[in-house]
Amino acid sequence: DAGVIQSPRHEVTEMGQEVTLRCKPISGHDYLFWYRQTMMRGLELLIYFNNNVPIDDSGMPEDRFSAKMPNASFSTLKIQPSEPRDSAVYFCASSSGLAGPREDTQYFGPGTRLTVL
Amino acid sequence: AQKVTQAQTEISVVEKEDVTLDCVYETRDTTYYLFWYKQPPSGELVFLIRRNSFDEQNEISGRYSWNFQKSTSSFNFTITASQVVDSAVYFCALSERGNNNDMRFGAGTRLTVKP
Repeated sequence: DAGVIQSPRHEVTEMGQEVTLRCKPISGHDYLFWYRQTMMRGLELLIYFNNNVPIDDSGMPEDRFSAKMPNASFSTLKIQPSEPRDSAVYFCASSSGLAGPREDTQYFGPGTRLTVL
Repeated sequence: AQKVTQAQTEISVVEKEDVTLDCVYETRDTTYYLFWYKQPPSGELVFLIRRNSFDEQNEISGRYSWNFQKSTSSFNFTITASQVVDSAVYFCALSERGNNNDMRFGAGTRLTVKP
């Protein structure tokens, strides 16, 4: 079975530009998570969805960040306008939630390495 | 709030040595879940193991073993007869049942296995 798919794998953009990161969760998984990984802060949960509905976005750093999940097989994380401090690796993960979101295991995508110049 | 501490920032061993990666956690919940993930140089995060707070039985999977001790709030990971391919950053993580699905990761331990 295919794992979590993220695109693009690498993104280089200039400050002020809009950036859209994409994620396809594992088929049948009801939970989708967006994480950011930086050297300074490690792995941070940004937002997660359950059945396409955002449940907790308290980790989203500021209003420049937004995430959507229009259907069960697709989610986007958008940064507008982007800033150099947004440079990081962004991971998407999904879990089946069969035994609850915390019981079940989150499987991660390969990540998108974002560089904002 | 939950917290995960991986005190070892970097570890370097020679191939075939055994190595233990430490993980200490803090939580007020009685029901919680502990995880280990591996992040090889290629960057992806690979799930290794999940353990719930009611299951203190140690786990062995090939060269990997995990020692969960609630008395010391530790969930240590041992690699026996390490190999170069084990070189990676290893993350310990904790999620609490009472917390809104917030899985907290430790800072990670970078393991380098030299030939």
